[in-house]
This record gives sequence, C-alpha cells and structure tokens, in this order.
Amino acid sequence: DIQMTQSPSSVSASVGDRVTITCRASQGISSFLAWYQQRPGRAPKLLISAASSLQSGVPSRFSGSGSGTEFTLTISSLQPEDFATYYCQQANSFPYTFGPGTKLEIK
Amino acid sequence: QVQLQESGPGLVEPSQSLSLTCTVSGGSISSGGYYWTWIRQQPGKGLEWIGYIYYRGSTHYNPSLKSRVTISRDTSKYQFSLTLTSVTAADTAVYYCAIGYPNWFDPWGQGILVTVSS
Repeated sequence: DIQMTQSPSSVSASVGDRVTITCRASQGISSFLAWYQQRPGRAPKLLISAASSLQSGVPSRFSGSGSGTEFTLTISSLQPEDFATYYCQQANSFPYTFGPGTKLEIK
Repeated sequence: QVQLQESGPGLVEPSQSLSLTCTVSGGSISSGGYYWTWIRQQPGKGLEWIGYIYYRGSTHYNPSLKSRVTISRDTSKYQFSLTLTSVTAADTAVYYCAIGYPNWFDPWGQGILVTVSS
C-alpha cells in the first residue's frame, strides 16, 4: 500500500493568515491526489482533485500543487469556517489511502 | 444533486456481521458511471477506503478487509449495501458511503457510527 504522511499534524493560525499543509506519498503517484476538509461531526468534503483542480463551489483561497511524491494545500487567507481537519488521499493505485490529517486550529 | 444517507444498526456484537445500507436520492445507482463507495473512520483515527461497487455491478475491495467484505446493490430501491463479517472492536468506526469518480469521493453521506460491543 502507498503510505501517506502529512505535516504538520496540527497548526494554530489566525484569521487572515496564509497556511500551507504538506502531504507526501511513499512512492510516486503522479498527480493522483485529492484534498478533503472535515469539520467536527461532519463528513469529509472534497476540495481539490488531481492535485490542483479546485472543486466547484470551493473558495479560490484554497489551492493545491505538486506531483510525484510531494504535494501542498495552501489557504491564502484563513476564514473562520476554514478551521477544520484536512486530509490528503492518493488516488493512483488500490487500495486508495489517506493521510493522517492536519488539524487547523484557531490561534 | 445526488445525496446519500447511511442506515443500519449502531451496535453490533463481536463475531457477528455488520450490515449497512446507503440510500441514494437524486440519481440512479445503475447509471452515470459512478463507483458507489464505502469508507470508514475509526475513532480518533484517519480514513480507510473499504471498497466500491461499480454502476455495472463489479466490485473492488481493500485487501485488508477483502475476506470479510461484501458490497452489493439493489437498483430498484436506489440502495447499495455493506456487509462486514466476523467483526471485532477494531471495526468500531463511523461508516460513510460516497460516490467515487472512481478515485476521488464526492459527495459523502453524513456517516453512521457503528460500535462493536457485547
């Protein structure tokens, strides 16, 4: 299985800050990577597919980049509703696997 | 817009089978090229892809669960189901159904907590 890691595991930030989360795959996955946002008590929501393709309705302050084994999710100016846990997921090969998550907390 | 809703028992005894159903509204599970997917999230842990049933009926499972998992569908009821046999406490989780494309998932159901305990 492809192992996914994320850093940091948690981050504290303020409204208006720029935040970057890194996701690494244990082997190359081209651009087959997705990012999800999960608010407490809610199901994950797809934000980005194919490493950088923003889903319809997702604010443009979210962006994704990377290919191969290293990927980033950037939130350009944090809003109160962005405080949540973020997961990456490799979509290159079975079984699909997720990262352990990055919890974004209010400073 | 397609919506999904999980249902089933919230408590299952060890060694028994866990059976959940996902009801789809706003779309048909026998058309559209979708992959009808189950994913779970164990308490305090990350997400685990369980498997899918393709709209044409083929299935694919996570090897870690393959010997215990069956995903099936009832197209007349707009439902697909998950059966997990010989459950243990390690199978306690929130179980989500979702649409796969096939390898990103959107949308998801709200999730259902299943506890394995006697």
